[in-house]
Amino acid sequence: DVQLVESGGGLMQPGRSLRLSCTASGFTFYEYALSWVRQAPGKGLEWVGFIRTKEYGGTTEYAASVKGRFIISRDDSKSIAYLQMNSLKTEDTAVYYCTRDSSEIIWGQGTLVTVSS
Amino acid sequence: EIVLTQSPATLSLSPGERATLSCRASQSVYSYLAWYQQKPGQAPRLLIYDASKRATGIPARFSGSGSGTDFTLTISSLEPEDFALYYCQQRSNRPNTFGQGTKLEIK
Repeated sequence: DVQLVESGGGLMQPGRSLRLSCTASGFTFYEYALSWVRQAPGKGLEWVGFIRTKEYGGTTEYAASVKGRFIISRDDSKSIAYLQMNSLKTEDTAVYYCTRDSSEIIWGQGTLVTVSS
Repeated sequence: EIVLTQSPATLSLSPGERATLSCRASQSVYSYLAWYQQKPGQAPRLLIYDASKRATGIPARFSGSGSGTDFTLTISSLEPEDFALYYCQQRSNRPNTFGQGTKLEIK
């Protein structure tokens, strides 16, 4: 089965850093771009950023709300994508999903990040 | 950034009725539009991609149409499990923006 599993969420204090992982299985990981999407409690869906495949330079793009604080990377040998979140703010509290960029988009189940003092 | 506007915000219908949800883009997204269903505590579930293609395992009562800036999700005959939140998303331009959602509630 094609699957994405996020992990690494938890309770963090403002200003701290946290790294989320997205572990893929059931497909050829290096062939796909990957995105991160978040959903704050009771709110809608917000695209956070994405990373291209190595074939397209492995470059990244970010939403304005996280640019300069969040970094997306990938390890194709392990089929894992990462979301490094620095200088966390209370407004970063959300469920974070990773998605496989393709016509038939695949989503993980999400991991909750809570930023609170 | 492309803005997606969904209407109505809330739709109140009864099981067996037909539901029509709209998503309008601020500029053309060609056919790069997806529809999702989301229930409380769950990840979004892909229903429709590329405007009109049903995702794997999605019942035939769900259909999508449109291109350019105007899109529609139709549920031909509502089942009790269809009452949920629905989002559209465009993947024509980065950022891949989402609509604000339509809540489909039981009348």
